[in-house]
Amino acid sequence: QVQLQESGPGLVKPSETLSLTCSVSGDSISSGGYYWSWIRQYPGKGLEWIGYISYRGSTYSNPSLKGRVTISSYMSMNQFSLKLRSVTAADTAVYFCARRGSGLDYWGQGTLVTVSS
Amino acid sequence: EIVLTQSPGTLSLSPGERATLSCRASQNIGSAFLGWYQQKPGQAPRLLIYGASTRATGIPDRFSGSGSGTDFTLTITRLEPEDFAVYYCQQYDGSPSWTFGQGTKVEIK
Repeated sequence: QVQLQESGPGLVKPSETLSLTCSVSGDSISSGGYYWSWIRQYPGKGLEWIGYISYRGSTYSNPSLKGRVTISSYMSMNQFSLKLRSVTAADTAVYFCARRGSGLDYWGQGTLVTVSS
Repeated sequence: EIVLTQSPGTLSLSPGERATLSCRASQNIGSAFLGWYQQKPGQAPRLLIYGASTRATGIPDRFSGSGSGTDFTLTITRLEPEDFAVYYCQQYDGSPSWTFGQGTKVEIK
């Protein structure tokens, strides 16, 4: 069974960098055909796609985030990460990692990140 | 960017009734990369349908998806108590951006 688990600080100061890691078990992030993704959800609101890294290592992020996003993978640890720079209170959200196979078929439980001084 | 518009925003129905949810894309997205998700409070979304019409593993057959191009529908034939939740559509082709609809809440009438 594939499982994903987010980890990282729950509180980040404004203007700093939000850093999260997604640990994957039950599958290899180097497996062919999958995209390893980050999605966030503002409190009480809908879902926003942040970006992904493919099994080949190519990355793409939501243009609305204006180049603040870096997604990386660590094959030996079977993990991938999210860095979101220059955060503001508007980046307060629950952050999910997910695997895109046929649809986003496996999700982490999500982690709340609050941006506040 | 492809925009997905879901309607209605809220659907008030009773258990046993049929629910019909709509998702409209701002441009043609075919059907191969359209998914539907169910989300309950405090939980991650769960994949129901992928490729517009294929049920994900373990999803009951009362859930069905249809459509192609710009118009897609999720139908729940007979609502069970556990089906009251928020439903999202998502396109995951996007060349290369992905987007979600804003969600439809199915609530108990």
